[in-house]
Amino acid sequence: DAGVIQSPRHEVTEMGQEVTLRCKPISGHNSLFWYRQTMMRGLELLIYFNNNVPIDDSGMPEDRFSAKMPNASFSTLKIQPSEPRDSAVYFCASSPTPGQGSPSSYNEQFFGPGTRLTVL
Amino acid sequence: GENVEQHPSTLSVQEGDSAVIKCTYSDSASNYFPWYKQELGKGPQLIIDIRSNVGEKKDQRIAVTLNKTAKHFSLHITETQPEDSAVYFCAAVKTSYDKVIFGPGTSLSVIP
Repeated sequence: DAGVIQSPRHEVTEMGQEVTLRCKPISGHNSLFWYRQTMMRGLELLIYFNNNVPIDDSGMPEDRFSAKMPNASFSTLKIQPSEPRDSAVYFCASSPTPGQGSPSSYNEQFFGPGTRLTVL
Repeated sequence: GENVEQHPSTLSVQEGDSAVIKCTYSDSASNYFPWYKQELGKGPQLIIDIRSNVGEKKDQRIAVTLNKTAKHFSLHITETQPEDSAVYFCAAVKTSYDKVIFGPGTSLSVIP
C-alpha cells in the first residue's frame, strides 16, 4: 500500500501566484482531510470530505482557499492569490468509513508526507 | 465546540526514563481519544487510542489512561529510547463522523 500521496513535496512561489496542492488518498478510504501546520497555530483542519462531498469547510481561512474532490482518488487544495502568511506545511489525510475494516480503523487518519509551501 | 489542551509543550528526558504527556478536553460527549506521533519531516501517525468505555490501554512501552469524569487523558512512555523523539499530539472525537480535534502538540526529546 503506497499510503496517502501528496505532490509536490516542496513548493516555493512568489506572492500573488496561484498554488495547487494535490492529494491521492488511500484506495477505499471515503473520508479526506486537508490540514495546515504552522509553529504558531499547530495542526489546523481546513476542510474535510466524505464520499467526495465537502462536509465541513469552516477551517478554510478565506476565499483565497478552495478545495475540490472530483473523484474518490484525487483532491486539490488551491490558494489564489497566495500570500507569505500562507507559508506552512499542508497535510492531506484519509480515513476509512467508520465501521469498515478492523475495529482499529475507527477514525484513524492516515496522513500523507505533507507539502511544504513557502510564499516569498 | 471541543477544545483540547496539552501539556507540556516541550519535554526532555534521559534515555530509559519515563515520559508523561497530559491532555484535557472540554466536550463531555467526546468518546474516542487517539494519540499521534509526528517524526521530523513526516505526517502524524496513530500510535495508540482509547475509547471512553476503557480507563487504560497498554501497548508495549506505551500506555494511555482516561478519566472521563475529569476529562483528562494521558500518554505514558516507559523506558524511552532516542527513536521516541518526536512531536506527540493528543486528540478527541465525538462520533465516527465528527472531525478530530487535535491538541497543540508536545515536542519530546530523548537524550542518549
